[in-house]
Amino acid sequence: GAVVSQHPSRVICKSGTSVKIECRSLDFQATTMFWYRQFPKQSLMLMATSNEGSKATYEQGVEKDKFLINHASLTLSTLTVTSAHPEDSSFYICSARDRPGQTNEKLFFGSGTQLSVL
Amino acid sequence: ELKVEQNPLFLSMQEGKNYTIYCNYSTTSDRLYWYRQDPGKSLESLFVLLSNGAVKQEGRLMASLDTKARLSTLHITAAVHDLSATYFCAVDPKSTDSWGKLQFGAGTQVVVTP
Repeated sequence: GAVVSQHPSRVICKSGTSVKIECRSLDFQATTMFWYRQFPKQSLMLMATSNEGSKATYEQGVEKDKFLINHASLTLSTLTVTSAHPEDSSFYICSARDRPGQTNEKLFFGSGTQLSVL
Repeated sequence: ELKVEQNPLFLSMQEGKNYTIYCNYSTTSDRLYWYRQDPGKSLESLFVLLSNGAVKQEGRLMASLDTKARLSTLHITAAVHDLSATYFCAVDPKSTDSWGKLQFGAGTQVVVTP
């Protein structure tokens, strides 16, 4: 079945540095991907919608200059956390939809990235 | 704004007994998901419910959807320790443009004890 690969699975960085997370659809083309953030013991919150070939759409309260999203190809979206601070430490998860609008459409989640900012 | 209310938030289960998790949502939708999450892991898809009256079963888990009541339930039959995890429901707004843009419930932490 279709798989969404997310890397890295875990990253530890110093405060002030930038971290890039990749989300890749392995055997299908994903014109749209989604990025979520999950703080410990909490639910998933949608951060942004990543659209291939165009600007991402950010949810209210999410800083677009801090969380840079690039969806340069039909199989890859990247989330860059710029100038990371300890409060950005969280579990980041991407998802991608396959065959949108079709009766057999499906939604797949990546394996997640645990970001720890020291 | 779509709101998804899940309850209970914590459920202590005794092995062998039956339990139900409820998921209410506030606006029209006919696409509801149930996921399982183990600590430190991503989401494992359990069920996708796409129409009113949909019922799906897999092992000890059964999910149903009532779009008129805006309610989905996840029923656990004869709980076993392996079912200990956090369970999330998630609702997709009824809009083609935003398909896949899920609103999650708060999650139900399930602990199954002997």
